[in-house]
Amino acid sequence: NAGVTQTPKFQVLKTGQSMTLQCAQDMNHEYMSWYRQDPGMGLRLIHYSVGAGITDQGEVPNGYNVSRSTTEDFPLRLLSAAPSQTSVYFCASSSILMAVETQYFGPGTRLLVL
Amino acid sequence: GEDVEQSLFLSVREGDSSVINCTYTDSSSTYLYWYKQEPGAGLQLLTYIFSNMDMKQDQRLTVLLNKKDKHLSLRIADTQTGDSAIYFCAEWGTGANNLFFGTGTRLTVIP
Repeated sequence: NAGVTQTPKFQVLKTGQSMTLQCAQDMNHEYMSWYRQDPGMGLRLIHYSVGAGITDQGEVPNGYNVSRSTTEDFPLRLLSAAPSQTSVYFCASSSILMAVETQYFGPGTRLLVL
Repeated sequence: GEDVEQSLFLSVREGDSSVINCTYTDSSSTYLYWYKQEPGAGLQLLTYIFSNMDMKQDQRLTVLLNKKDKHLSLRIADTQTGDSAIYFCAEWGTGANNLFFGTGTRLTVIP
């Protein structure tokens, strides 16, 4: 199993550009989520999904869109990047909601918005 | 959201014990967790404790929970250089579908 994979590892964007951060897992996990990590602030939940076709907002959803067309993939879209979205983004998956003991994190995508 | 607080830095000498502290606000949290993040990597779940427990031990790790004071600690015995990392505590917020993370404590182990 590859676990949770994220691409790209690093990206530089200009303000106003759009991009999609990719996340995939091969463990047949139902629950997937996106977090952003900022210095001195820990991780904050952006969006999450409890299964294909079902998504919901987390703590800081503004400026981000998600979709879940398959169990394996959970892409995060930035429609119009802003410098405030400079951060490290982590995708995570687990077998079911609240099954934190089976939660796996991807290696992260470092995003810089100029 | 919930407020989970940690001190930002801790330095210890190799072989000593490390104690990383955390305070949280949601008294109805069912689970509390400790994660480890090594440089350039994602988070790895270290251990967790149910809210009806006071202590949990797992090899070199001891978790203490004081529900009255909403205080959680992680003790690492015989700290090694490989323990140098950022440690996050987290709680599952009641009524929410996500973890609330602390700011993280950067542990530096001095050889």
